[in-house]
Amino acid sequence: DTEVTQTPKHLVMGMTNKKSLKCEQHMGHRAMYWYKQKAKKPPELMFVYSYEKLSINESVPSRFSPECPNSSLLNLHLHALQPEDSALYLCASSDRGYTEAFFGQGTRLTVV
Amino acid sequence: AQTVTQSQPEMSVQEAETVTLSCTYDTSESDYYLFWYKQPPSRQMILVIRQEAYKQQNATENRFSVNFQKAAKSFSLKISDSQLGDAAMYFCAYSQGGSEKLVFGKGTKLTVNP
Repeated sequence: DTEVTQTPKHLVMGMTNKKSLKCEQHMGHRAMYWYKQKAKKPPELMFVYSYEKLSINESVPSRFSPECPNSSLLNLHLHALQPEDSALYLCASSDRGYTEAFFGQGTRLTVV
Repeated sequence: AQTVTQSQPEMSVQEAETVTLSCTYDTSESDYYLFWYKQPPSRQMILVIRQEAYKQQNATENRFSVNFQKAAKSFSLKISDSQLGDAAMYFCAYSQGGSEKLVFGKGTKLTVNP
């Protein structure tokens, strides 16, 4: 199984809502990532978890809260988002940083 | 800080022809890895090819090959016998050895004309 599964595929939320994005991988990878991607732009790294511990936070606003409950799961909790946070959110995993990163299909988030 | 530059925002190619996408990077490190990722309209990023900096031989994966010029810090992707399914955004990416960060270029949108 070389898949990274993200749910939901699409999400519309109001600025006062709380929602969560989920990501799952069963490849035994020790690193998991959240990226934000705006249209026609490259992915921007948000967070990296290594061995279930947060190793990189790219100065992401606190309205985005990552969580890694176990080595296979990665969540991104969303609260009080702004319309400019609307984007494609990609999850990825890798065995080591310099080997292949496997990406999920992403969650298309719209904040209204 | 490492940077990756893709100077071609858009490229087009006729089906069955060959196209080359350009990428240059800037780093002072000697241990690093370079990647080409493909992102079709379905949104999923897929690894096309990977090159280790310590390897002199250019990587090849079926119709995809790279021209890795380490001294020039250039890493171009050649797609031979282009197919309609090759149409996508192509991102060049860099990773420093031991690092968990991927640095992406801005991407090149490839159109394949029938």
